Amino acid sequence: ETGVTQTPRHLVMGMTNKKSLKCEQHLGHNAMYWYKQSAKKPLELMFVYSLEERVENNSVPSRFSPECPNSSHLFLHLHTLQPEDSALYLCASSRRLAGGTDTQYFGPGTRLTVL
Amino acid sequence: EDQVTQSPEALRLQEGESSSLNCSYTVSGLRGLFWYRQDPGKGPEFLFTLYSAGEEKEKERLKATLTKKESFLHITAPKPEDSATYLCAGLLNNDMRFGAGTRLTVKP
Repeated sequence: ETGVTQTPRHLVMGMTNKKSLKCEQHLGHNAMYWYKQSAKKPLELMFVYSLEERVENNSVPSRFSPECPNSSHLFLHLHTLQPEDSALYLCASSRRLAGGTDTQYFGPGTRLTVL
Repeated sequence: EDQVTQSPEALRLQEGESSSLNCSYTVSGLRGLFWYRQDPGKGPEFLFTLYSAGEEKEKERLKATLTKKESFLHITAPKPEDSATYLCAGLLNNDMRFGAGTRLTVKP
């Protein structure tokens, strides 16, 4: 257990559905991240939050909408997704932003399948 | 463009057969090089961080080394439980740039 939990662990949704992924960290960290992991591809950074403010958005389509209500919780709201969005979505946290060389600790991920 | 490349893509070893995994990077201003282990269906598990060329770190059968252009993860006398995908990542400013990973299988 790394202290980062994600729910649900598996999600199957149609292209017209709206769903949300949840991440919670119990480490007292101030930075949180969303990554996408597709088969045989490197992890892709999607969003970075520091102290509840978004500091990075790597050209992610607007059908992905992050929310960080406090430093312990991070959400990823999904709507009108495409089949190519099927992937493992990973949440991570670090004590500070990665620029401070702090280690990122990952949750177990949510396996998303879009039909 | 900043890149992190891992080789080989897949590696099959017999139990006890030592080998090395490579992570080469063309990242300017690298602030750190991270190694993670990822088991199927799970998130990456942190192994090591290396900050400067010449640095080495060890944990059980694993040893990570860093030069100015690449990092190696040496696995000594591996066991079947070492089977996993090993990821390396280069840390830029606020961005961790990951390689695609090496999938290691250790046969008993």
